[in-house]
Formats: sequence, C-alpha cells, structure tokens
Amino acid sequence: QQPVQSPQAVILREGEDAVINCSSSKALYSVHWYRQKHGEAPIFLMILLKGGEQKGHDKISASFNEKKQQSSLYLTASQLSYSGTYFCGTETTDSWGKLQFGAGTQVVVTP
Amino acid sequence: DTAVSQTPKYLVTQMGNDKSIKCEQNLGHDTMYWYKQDSKKFLKIMFSYNNKELIINETVPNRFSPKSPDKAHLNLHINSLELGDSAVYFCASSQDRDSEQFFGPGTRLTVL
Repeated sequence: QQPVQSPQAVILREGEDAVINCSSSKALYSVHWYRQKHGEAPIFLMILLKGGEQKGHDKISASFNEKKQQSSLYLTASQLSYSGTYFCGTETTDSWGKLQFGAGTQVVVTP
Repeated sequence: DTAVSQTPKYLVTQMGNDKSIKCEQNLGHDTMYWYKQDSKKFLKIMFSYNNKELIINETVPNRFSPKSPDKAHLNLHINSLELGDSAVYFCASSQDRDSEQFFGPGTRLTVL
C-alpha cells in the first residue's frame, strides 16, 4: 500500500522552514526519506525504525509516530540546495524488506 | 569510485524488441533492487535479491526477468518491449533492510 505524502508541492524562500508529511494505512516497520533532483538518482536522507532508532544526516530531522503510522520530515532554515522532490518510502510490518514510495513532494527554494 | 553503476544510461528501442540493463555495486552489499520510475515520478519496486536469492517479486509482467549472477550484480532482461515500459529504471543496493539504499544513476528506457 503506497503511503500518502503531503503537501504535493511547497515553495520556500531561503531560510524558511517546511514540513513534509507521510502517512500509511498499515502498521509501519520503518520509514525512509530520499531527495531526488531532476534527472538524478534519489539520495538517502534518513531512516526511522520502529522502536525509535534513527539513521541519517545531521542536518536533517524527522519524526516517526508509530501509533499514528505517520512520519514527518523537517526542512529547517532551507537552503537553495534543498530544492528537489522528496520521497518517503515505507516498509510495513507485514511486508519484509519492501519499500513502497509515496508520490513525492516537490520543494522549490528561491533566493 | 562509482558505488552503484548501471549500463546503458539511455536505451531507445522499438516495440517488440528484447533488451537488458546491467547493474553492478562495489559496496559489498547483500541486497539489490530494481525500481521503475514512470513519467509522473512514481517510484515503484519491482524486484529485490538478497545474496543472489529473489526475495521480492512485485506484480510485474513475466516479460521482466531479473538475474543475479553474483552478489555484486543484478541484471534486468525485458522481453517483447511495450510502449508502457518506457520509464527510468533504477538499480539500488543496501546492506540490509535497516540501511540506506544507494541508487544507481538510472537507465532511461524509451520504447517507440
């Protein structure tokens, strides 16, 4: 089951903050976050695991609410390099190792 | 050093042809994946191999056949290509299910 991401798109000025949400209709084992720039491969940002463990870049923060089956990615003090499409990938507890990706959130950061 | 590489980068072919895409990773990872990204940027898993064994096989037409000759390679062969197969195909690898996936640069397949 594909997770639902919101918003579909967001436009920010440099220095502004944004939140991207990802929700699942099924119980989650993990949530992965990736960013993809046009014409390039997705790049890893963060993994959040059931039980609270997180792995990722220091400058990226995210939360995982297991009970609500939701995750949020926080873009703080955005930079021009943050522009791209952000995807969450979810692995449900009944689907070992299989990431289902959301439709993506397009982020544009302007000067 | 390229972590995950794919060849070719672009593939333009006629309907009905058979084609292959090759993927290699030099990260020593145990798990490799194939994803399809369509024109709407929807990224969908197709297959996953762990130590040369198929562990994920999504609802994909049997015209698509993955092959993993060893842990470092995962190839994708597509028979009787159709217009709807046009997409960008990404190979990825990870150490395990709890680790980040490293994506290759993608192969843009165009079926005419």
